[in-house]
Order: sequence, then C-alpha cells, then structure tokens
Amino acid sequence: SSELTQDPAVSVALGQTVRITCHGDSLRRYYATWYQQKSGQAPVLVMFGKDSRPSGIPDRFSGSSSGNTASLTITGAQAEDEAEYYCKSLDSSDSHLVFGGGTKLTVL
Amino acid sequence: EVQLLESGGGLVQPGGSLRLSCEASGFTFSDFAMSWVRQAPGKGLEWVSGITASGGTTKYTDSVKGRFTISRDTSKNTLYLQLDNLRAEDTAVYYCAKDTEWLVAFDVWGQGTVVTVSS
Repeated sequence: SSELTQDPAVSVALGQTVRITCHGDSLRRYYATWYQQKSGQAPVLVMFGKDSRPSGIPDRFSGSSSGNTASLTITGAQAEDEAEYYCKSLDSSDSHLVFGGGTKLTVL
Repeated sequence: EVQLLESGGGLVQPGGSLRLSCEASGFTFSDFAMSWVRQAPGKGLEWVSGITASGGTTKYTDSVKGRFTISRDTSKNTLYLQLDNLRAEDTAVYYCAKDTEWLVAFDVWGQGTVVTVSS
C-alpha cells in the first residue's frame, strides 16, 4: 500500500479553483513532487520543491505544504487540466520513492 | 531537444528475463541521476529503481530487489534495467525518467515500453 494518500477523484467547474491534496508522514520532512498524466501519455512534472514550476507549466498551478499534507492548487482550472495527478516523495525510511495513488481531476 | 527513448519491452513468460534500454539525447547524460517508473494496466505510477549520475549508488523498490538491476553506460548515453525472474505482477509500461537532482523531480520522461509477463 502507498505511504502517500490522495483522494481518488476531484471535480471542478471550468475557471474555478481546485486543491488536490496528498497526505503522508514523510511530507513532514520532504516536499512533495507533483506530476500530471493525461490519458495514454507519459507523466509531466508540474510542481516540485517548496513551490517551483518547470518552464512551460502555467502559473495557475501552485504548491504548498503544511504538516503531513502537500497540496497542488489550480487557480482558474482549464479544460486541458483534466488529467490524473500524482504526488511523490521519499518514503519515511529515506530508502526509496513512493507515489500517491493518484487523483483523477475532472473539469466540468 | 531533450529526449528519452525506451526500448526492449515485449512478451515474456513467468521466470523469464528482459533488458530495457533508455537512450538519452539533448542533455549531458553523465550529469544527471536517472530512474525507472512503471505503471501496471489501469493502475497508478510506481517508482522501480534509481541510479545516481556517477552510477555509484542504486536504489530499488522492495518488490524488485534481487530481481532487477539498474545500470548506465555514459559512453552510449543509455540507461538500462535488467529484469530477471519476472512475475505476472511486473506487467506494466516502464518509463525512464531524468532527475533534476537525486530522487527529487523527474523533469523528462520517455514514452514508455510495454512489458507483458504471461504464459
């Protein structure tokens, strides 16, 4: 079982704000990294570190962390943001990486 | 253009072996750690293994320890994953990924290669 827990599905109305969360003890020590995966495609890095976006990722994506919870927020969600989102972090023993189970985001 | 191109997937019987390759281009391969990530059909992402830029340190998820071996050849700009004693639960799309720093963030991914373990 994953040491990082995500809600299986979240929906948001077009243009509204949505927060995708990731819970895990290791997040008290390490920042989460976030990936977007659209159907049939390879994952894409969207957020890492405290709040760093790779070049090409829109600034409507932001990250935050508090206690054992990391969050990816999309402010003004667009239709093209509909995808599966995965968080990732080192595990509690620092021995390997773990992914959350993923959150399916639907933009209504 | 920064690119990763996997190959070597296929159909193999339980207990069999495969070697996956990932050819890198568009960046200095020897400067970056690399990892393999897999995704079983209809399931989420699972980190499999990682190797530092120098190749001196490797890590594996528990379910593949002793069966899979990660390696890299800087002269060929290629990352490898040797898969031995394969099981049905190893069936997945295997992606290689470039790390920004050791085990921090995967900023470049390949298109994936499919491994199917079945009799």
